[in-house]
Amino acid sequence: RKEVEQDPGPFNVPEGATVAFNCTYSNSASQSFFWHRQDCRKEPKLLMSVYSSGNEDGRFTAQLNRASQYISLLIRDSKLSDSATYLCVVNNNAGNMLTFGGGTRLMVKP
Amino acid sequence: SQTIHQWPATLVQPVGSPLSLECTVEGTSNPNLYWYRQAAGRGLQLLFYSVGIGQISSEVPQNLSASRPQDRQFILSSKKLLLSDSGFYLCAWSVMGVRPLPYGYTFGSGTRLTVV
Repeated sequence: RKEVEQDPGPFNVPEGATVAFNCTYSNSASQSFFWHRQDCRKEPKLLMSVYSSGNEDGRFTAQLNRASQYISLLIRDSKLSDSATYLCVVNNNAGNMLTFGGGTRLMVKP
Repeated sequence: SQTIHQWPATLVQPVGSPLSLECTVEGTSNPNLYWYRQAAGRGLQLLFYSVGIGQISSEVPQNLSASRPQDRQFILSSKKLLLSDSGFYLCAWSVMGVRPLPYGYTFGSGTRLTVV
């Protein structure tokens, strides 16, 4: 089983739609969770951290389910500019080492 | 504020030629430093990481090497490039000694290497 697994997609959605991605992780001792966004041919950038209680940043909501070991990202009112690959990121048991999922590609269509 | 610089942005090199990619971080001390490679349409592959000057850990055996001659400088090298070394090389840094991490890694803008 991979340490961090994501559905590669692509998720093709119309503008204005709500879309959700899930990510599962294998290490129950993981403490830090993030979503990064990567645009085509660019470096990944931090989108948001994921907190135990769940957190929201504008149209984006991140949730953590420790019991089932998954993280989710919900995007409401999708924009064309949301088209990108979304990387799920989890720390492993070695402190500051992060493991990246393979990414989920989102394409928002007009 | 902290910044990370990586160069060059693009590179086309013949098979068998040497490689040197440089990454520097400003505005922080004792960062953890990382080199990743991303093949076209693929995920991130951790190549090397460093927790201090001269301390390099290799994740994947290959013909690449890394060095950290200064606290905020990380260099990726190869003596002889292979076609399979083509890819998008990313340097990243994170704070050291903070658990859990307050944020993820910060990446440089990457070097797109094509070996021909």
